[in-house]
Amino acid sequence: DTGVSQNPRHKITKRGQNVTFRCDPISEHNRLYWYRQTLGQGPEFLTYFQNEAQLEKSRLLSDRFSAERPKGSFSTLEIQRTEQGDSAMYLCASSLVGEYDEQYFGPGTRLTVT
Amino acid sequence: QKEVEQNSGPLSVPEGAIASLNCTYSDRGSQSFFWYRQYSGKSPELIMFIYSNGDKEDGRFTAQLNKASQYVSLLIRDSQPSDSATYLCAVTRGGFKTIFGAGTRLFVKA
Repeated sequence: DTGVSQNPRHKITKRGQNVTFRCDPISEHNRLYWYRQTLGQGPEFLTYFQNEAQLEKSRLLSDRFSAERPKGSFSTLEIQRTEQGDSAMYLCASSLVGEYDEQYFGPGTRLTVT
Repeated sequence: QKEVEQNSGPLSVPEGAIASLNCTYSDRGSQSFFWYRQYSGKSPELIMFIYSNGDKEDGRFTAQLNKASQYVSLLIRDSQPSDSATYLCAVTRGGFKTIFGAGTRLFVKA
């Protein structure tokens, strides 16, 4: 069990640039979640997938954010036209569909927008 | 009212004492309840989950759930300095998004 992996671990970008993050879930997990976390706050839900279907997307997620999970394995999160307010830790988690939903987190990608 | 509320702390306890962390939630339809530990600069780590009213014990950790009161707690027995971290309460309604509290910072003094 290799756990959830995320790349890159750190990203510094200039305002207005586009960035893309990748998440590889635990191999047998079919649910994948994206969260955003800022200092002093808990993770904030962004979106989640079951297999390749995107089942829910936070209304807080602007049109500049898009996520994909094309083959039900890895997922990408893209932020277009980044703003300084997008600076945060972006966390990915995965779980196995069942009666409960125990999510396991990756190490996160820290985004800094200058 | 926040969907999941936790006292931000910090909660300070001496080494060897019991640390008690509390969480309340607003959605009566919530089904699954989780406690995560998060060290500074790291991602959350799942330490306990509970689905039924009552207590669930795992080593030094005990999770307690009272759905009627919409209350979930985490007890850490024999607290160690290595337990110093932020503890996040998370609540899900099965198949829907998970809501996290802002976390309680715990300091265990040696």
